[in-house]
Amino acid sequence: AQSVSQHNHHVILSEAASLELGCNYSYGGTVNLFWYVQYPGQHLQLLLKYFSGDPLVKGIKGFEAEFIKSKFSFNLRKPSVQWSDTAEYFCAVAPGRGGGNKLTFGTGTQLKVEL
Amino acid sequence: DAGITQSPRHKVTETGTPVTLRCHQTENHRYMYWYRQDPGHGLRLIHYSYGVKDTDKGEVSDGYSVSRSKTEDFLLTLESATSSQTSVYFCAIGPQETQYFGPGTRLLVL
Repeated sequence: AQSVSQHNHHVILSEAASLELGCNYSYGGTVNLFWYVQYPGQHLQLLLKYFSGDPLVKGIKGFEAEFIKSKFSFNLRKPSVQWSDTAEYFCAVAPGRGGGNKLTFGTGTQLKVEL
Repeated sequence: DAGITQSPRHKVTETGTPVTLRCHQTENHRYMYWYRQDPGHGLRLIHYSYGVKDTDKGEVSDGYSVSRSKTEDFLLTLESATSSQTSVYFCAIGPQETQYFGPGTRLLVL
């Protein structure tokens, strides 16, 4: 079974600071990786995903993530955060290559961006 | 946003009472899922469906049952609600590549 670890539970940053949120996964086969965001009071939305190819993936709103296979990691980055990035961020993993549709989520990271 | 609605959006109930949550989609999608979201646990899959009358258990299915008699509706039932089932419940549709989430149902079991 797959599992996902997000080590940063709460992160507080000032506007314009750089962001990196950690995500590590455990799975014995090929994986597909996702980052979702949940803004206050809203449902989850997909930020970006990695299936194959270039391990540096660019998503919406200036976010990017890098898949490092040797480290089983898929960290989320943004060079300069804005107040509107305040949200909870979830990393998720799913089996690759037709292994099914079930996503396994990490416990989430609460990001607060201060003005 | 994908056409997903959940009802009710908020519910307060008492321990031991049955509760049914409804997820309705207008996307005609095969795949539907029920998750619960709890602080410190993220989202955990309760049950999922790959089509009408085709359902299976997720990682936290104890105390929950589901039914899917029509493509557009996926019902989640708590046969006898317990305080540990106080949570926010999200429905989702789609394959893993593009899962869309509903607005959520906030359930409080007293």
